[in-house]
Amino acid sequence: SQTIHQWPATLVQPVGSPLSLECTVEGTSNPNLYWYRQAAGRGLQLLFYSVGIGQISSEVPQNLSASRPQDRQFILSSKKLLLSDSGFYLCAWVSRGRTDTQYFGPGTRLTVL
Amino acid sequence: AQSVSQHNHHVILSEAASLELGCNYSYGGTVNLFWYVQYPGQHLQLLLKYFSGDPLVKGIKGFEAEFIKSKFSFNLRKPSVQWSDTAEYFCAVTTSGTYKYIFGTGTRLKVLA
Repeated sequence: SQTIHQWPATLVQPVGSPLSLECTVEGTSNPNLYWYRQAAGRGLQLLFYSVGIGQISSEVPQNLSASRPQDRQFILSSKKLLLSDSGFYLCAWVSRGRTDTQYFGPGTRLTVL
Repeated sequence: AQSVSQHNHHVILSEAASLELGCNYSYGGTVNLFWYVQYPGQHLQLLLKYFSGDPLVKGIKGFEAEFIKSKFSFNLRKPSVQWSDTAEYFCAVTTSGTYKYIFGTGTRLKVLA
């Protein structure tokens, strides 16, 4: 069966520090991968998605970036965090080439102080 | 741009009451529609989905939703809620030819025992 992992589970970082959140998927090949940010009252905001290694589509211009160095690995990064980057970050996957059910990871709670 | 509106942000019901959560989307083409649920402390998971066919779809735990194309709506219903239905509910839409999923802002449901 497929599983999706995210780490760390929680993170507290000072303003201006770098960020690296990791997402990995097991049990499937060539998935489409997604990063969302969930904020109270604002739903899930799509940040990035990827349909293949090295292919990243950005949905929201901001100081975050994403990379997909391996087929089942998706990384969310920032060089300098802002207070507004605080939130709950979710990774999700979908079978390649399909617009079907998304499967979500457990999320990372990021607090920027 | 595509968007999804969930007009009920917070709903409080007593057990056995009927539930209807509204979801409207803005897109004139072919859509795939989803309802996801996030129980306290758990991953976001699929409740039900509509791709084509019978516009009344049934999901897990007694939930159903009706796709009304003329109203661009996909409202979620349950005839009799239980305390265990306390959760946050998200409507989402994706369109053919893209891999983007657009989520609504969510509805927090609290069911009183």
